Amino acid sequence: QKEVEQDPGPLSVPEGAIVSLNCTYSNSAFQYFMWYRQYSRKGPELLMYTYSSGNKEDGRFTAQVDKSSKYISLFIRDSQPSDSATYLCAMSAEGNKLVFGAGTILRVKS
Amino acid sequence: GAVVSQHPSWVICKSGTSVKIECRSLDFQATTMFWYRQFPKQSLMLMATSNEGSKATYEQGVEKDKFLINHASLTLSTLTVTSAHPEDSSFYICSARAPRAFFGQGTRLTVV
Repeated sequence: QKEVEQDPGPLSVPEGAIVSLNCTYSNSAFQYFMWYRQYSRKGPELLMYTYSSGNKEDGRFTAQVDKSSKYISLFIRDSQPSDSATYLCAMSAEGNKLVFGAGTILRVKS
Repeated sequence: GAVVSQHPSWVICKSGTSVKIECRSLDFQATTMFWYRQFPKQSLMLMATSNEGSKATYEQGVEKDKFLINHASLTLSTLTVTSAHPEDSSFYICSARAPRAFFGQGTRLTVV
């Protein structure tokens, strides 16, 4: 079993839809949770960073962490074609090394 | 957020030659940097952790003599792919800071 599971998609939605991206994990030592957006042939861009259970909102993005269920989510409201990218969840324990999910390909159709 | 600059963004080299990729932290000092490799439509695979002033720590299965890492200053880490072969063609990405890592733009290496 992988430490971090993420559905690779692709996930295709119409413009304006609410997008839900999810990851599950098995290592209870993970304390830091990140979501990255990666456009084709570019480095990942940090979108959200959180270290506690609950919700964190930034503009159209909301990150949700449920440590008891070992489940994290990223919600994108009012999705735009420019949101089309690969979304990677990543998490880390105290030792700093990041463990990534497989990445979900998102396509927002105009 | 912090800025990490990676150079070059793409490179084509002949089989058997060596290629050096630079990773710089522009507005902060990074005692630790990370080097990843990414194959098409796959996630990032950690290759090694670069430590300023000391030897890099390589992940299992990564050849340290093939992928030379040097972290001579607090703002610069380099990855040299030695005697490159076509199977080394990939997207290489560096990052700095942890756990909230910031990534460079990536380097697409093509070995012909």
